[in-house]
Amino acid sequence: DIQMTQSPSSLSASVGDRVTITCRASQSIGRQLNWYQQKPGKAPNILIYAASSLQSGVPSRFGGRGSGTDFTLTISSLQPEDSATYYCQQSYTSPPFTFGPGTKVDLK
Amino acid sequence: EVQLLESGGALVQPGGSLRLSCAASGFTVSTNYMTWVRQAPGEGLQWVSVIYSDGKTYYADSVKGRFVISRDNSKNTLYLQMNSLRPEDTAVYYCARDDYFKDTGYYYSRHWGQGALVTVSS
Repeated sequence: DIQMTQSPSSLSASVGDRVTITCRASQSIGRQLNWYQQKPGKAPNILIYAASSLQSGVPSRFGGRGSGTDFTLTISSLQPEDSATYYCQQSYTSPPFTFGPGTKVDLK
Repeated sequence: EVQLLESGGALVQPGGSLRLSCAASGFTVSTNYMTWVRQAPGEGLQWVSVIYSDGKTYYADSVKGRFVISRDNSKNTLYLQMNSLRPEDTAVYYCARDDYFKDTGYYYSRHWGQGALVTVSS
């Protein structure tokens, strides 16, 4: 099975800061990489699929890059409502479609 | 509007069984890929199982042989039958409708239910 790692596990940043989260796959997954946002007590919400495609309705301050094994999620200007945990997920070829361990983003 | 409503969560003893339901509206379950994802208390997301529109099913190693994903087309409902439950199966279980792009193979869980809590404890 493909293993996913994320770094950092948590971060604290101020409103307006640029925030970058990294996700790494244990083998090449092309661009089959999704990013989800989850707020406490709520279901996850898709932000980005296919490594860099912004899901309809998601603010343009969210951006994704990468291919192969290394990927990033960037929030260009952190807003208060972005306080959440972010997960990457690989969807390469066939299941299981594993998630990364998550990155918790807090506001300073 | 796409809606998913899970039910069936409960407290169950180790070794017991439980069936979760996910009632769908606004789309047809049988023509979509449908996924179960779980989240243990204070932990991250864990992919559990998927059923494709052609009926193929896949499972995480941790539940293979114990859990069965299925659907009832007449009720437009997805199920997760969970047998031989263990304390480590304690989690909120989410059902999700997936979007799949055949030409590119891109795939993600687009719509999610609110979750159902399963607690396995004596």
